[in-house]
Amino acid sequence: QKEVEQDPGPLSVPEGAIVSLNCTYSNSAFQYFMWYRQYSRKGPELLMYTYSSGNKEDGRFTAQVDKSSKYISLFIRDSQPSDSATYLCAMSGYSNYQLIWGAGTKLIIKP
Amino acid sequence: SAVISQKPSRDICQRGTSLTIQCQVDSQVTMMFWYRQQPGQSLTLIATANQGSEATYESGFVIDKFPISRPNLTFSTLTVSNMSPEDSSIYLCSDGDRDYGYTFGSGTRLTVV
Repeated sequence: QKEVEQDPGPLSVPEGAIVSLNCTYSNSAFQYFMWYRQYSRKGPELLMYTYSSGNKEDGRFTAQVDKSSKYISLFIRDSQPSDSATYLCAMSGYSNYQLIWGAGTKLIIKP
Repeated sequence: SAVISQKPSRDICQRGTSLTIQCQVDSQVTMMFWYRQQPGQSLTLIATANQGSEATYESGFVIDKFPISRPNLTFSTLTVSNMSPEDSSIYLCSDGDRDYGYTFGSGTRLTVV
């Protein structure tokens, strides 16, 4: 079993829909949670960064961390075709700076 | 958060040669990471590079093949040595900034022929 599980998709939704992307993890020591967006042939771009539990909002993006369920989510409101990309979750523990990565979910927003 | 400039952005290299990839950070960072990413896959950590100490390599990666330098807190290089077609991949560097989240360079797309 992988430490971080993420459905690779693809996930296809119509423009304007609310998108929900999720990762589950098994290591209760994880404290730092990140979501990255990666366009084809580009480096990962940090979207959201959360320490410990709770919600964080930035524009159309909301990140949620539920440590009791070992479950993190990224919500995208009013999705746009330009949001079509691969979304990767990553996380680390307090004492280990290395990120553990999900497989990435390919998101397609249909005009 | 930091801005990381990575170069070259892409290269096509002959089998048996070496390529050095550079990452320049616009602020001082203690820790940097080097990754490899195969098409359609997630990131695989090659090594962790701290200034003033030897890089720490992950299982399956060795210093002779992927020597890393970290001469100061704003710069690092990764060399891919004695290349074979199996080394064709995207190579990425990142910082390890816990305050703002980890920032990545734009990547180096390497093709070995």
